[in-house]
Amino acid sequence: GQQLNQSPQSMFIQEGEDVSMNCTSSSIFNTWLWYKQDPGEGPVLLIALYKAGKLTSNGRLTAQFGITRKDSFLNISASIPSDVGIYFCAGQLTGNQFYFGTGTSLTVIP
Amino acid sequence: DVKVTQSSRYLVKRTGEKVFLECVQDMDHENMFWYRQDPGLGLRLIYFSYDVKMKEKGDIPEGYSVSREKKERFSLILESASTNQTSMYLCASTWTGIQPQHFGDGTRLSIL
Repeated sequence: GQQLNQSPQSMFIQEGEDVSMNCTSSSIFNTWLWYKQDPGEGPVLLIALYKAGKLTSNGRLTAQFGITRKDSFLNISASIPSDVGIYFCAGQLTGNQFYFGTGTSLTVIP
Repeated sequence: DVKVTQSSRYLVKRTGEKVFLECVQDMDHENMFWYRQDPGLGLRLIYFSYDVKMKEKGDIPEGYSVSREKKERFSLILESASTNQTSMYLCASTWTGIQPQHFGDGTRLSIL
């Protein structure tokens, strides 16, 4: 199956810093999704993006659905210790076709 | 809120055993999925189901089967467990159409 190119693989940042990660694909998607996974837990949906070119915010999180529909980025502003985890992007083609990135592991140093 | 419940958080089984992993969702979703997650490999789709008694193979179906007798329940079956099936197993569900998946908390399965 197809995997999306997600970068960076890991990040170590100081508390209070902003974070940026992105996801690219050779395929066009109808939806981009961003999930966060805490250790030992299942992924939790953070943001769903439905319209190309649009910026969507959820608290300190901002994500964009790239205009080409082949990429997306996620920004986290003013990071805090509970932001630690693995962040996954996913592209969706149809109701049952989802493709996932390999994840960005985020460590926040207090 | 959508709730996807996996029956066990941790499970330890022996090689050769038949293992059942259960998943239940409470939002009347048509589509349900089973993934396994391994370090460095991301999420890999094992099987999905788009309706009761309907199933489709994903990317890595070998050694697994599934059952969907009721809309809310999707079971993953390891016919004869092997050590290379030690992994984190994630269930997800969604409506038909362009809607995001919602995941359960996962089952960490160890095969000894």
